[in-house]
Amino acid sequence: EVQLVESGGGLVQPGGSLRLSCAASGFTVSSNYMSWVRQAPGKGLDWVSAIYSGGTTYYADSVKGRFTISRDNSKNTLYLQMNSLRAEDTAVYYCARENFEYSSSGPRWFDPWGQGTLVTVSS
Amino acid sequence: DIQMTQSPSSLSASVGDRVTITCRASQRISTYLNWFQQKPGKAPKLLIYAASSLQSGVPSRFSGSGSGTDFTLTISSLQPEDFATYYCQQSYSTHTFGQGTKLEIK
Repeated sequence: EVQLVESGGGLVQPGGSLRLSCAASGFTVSSNYMSWVRQAPGKGLDWVSAIYSGGTTYYADSVKGRFTISRDNSKNTLYLQMNSLRAEDTAVYYCARENFEYSSSGPRWFDPWGQGTLVTVSS
Repeated sequence: DIQMTQSPSSLSASVGDRVTITCRASQRISTYLNWFQQKPGKAPKLLIYAASSLQSGVPSRFSGSGSGTDFTLTISSLQPEDFATYYCQQSYSTHTFGQGTKLEIK
């Protein structure tokens, strides 16, 4: 069964750091495009970061320079290192696999998603 | 950046109704458009990908259409389990989601 399980969320003070993990089963993280998407309480969905199979990484402007996406092939796990956290980073963070049908330059979509992990930035 | 605008933001409907949600992109995105359903406390669920392809396991009462800048999600006959929030999302240039449409019971 294809599955994603996030962990690592919690309460952190402004300016602090946290590392989220996303353990995959049923497929190989390093062979796929993977993303992090977040959702602030009561708000909509915001894409945060992606890492492609070749290792290229992408970030939303709101987290560029503060967040780092990475993966551990031996553990089949995706990570999001979050530094210099702000109150506006408070959200549920989801990891998701990006799929495409014929070519990575064509339409892509998120499936599956993990269950999410809550990050709260507050003093 | 590509902006995605959904309408309406909220919608009240009854079981059995036909419902249409629209999504407009700020620039042409071909068919790089997906639709998700989200229920409270749950992760989003993929319904439609590439504008009109039905995800495996999703009931056929859900359908998507459109290309370029204007897209629609249609639920042909609302069922009790369909009351949720729906999001469109473009993958033409990184990723952007619409603000969501909350579908409530009338």
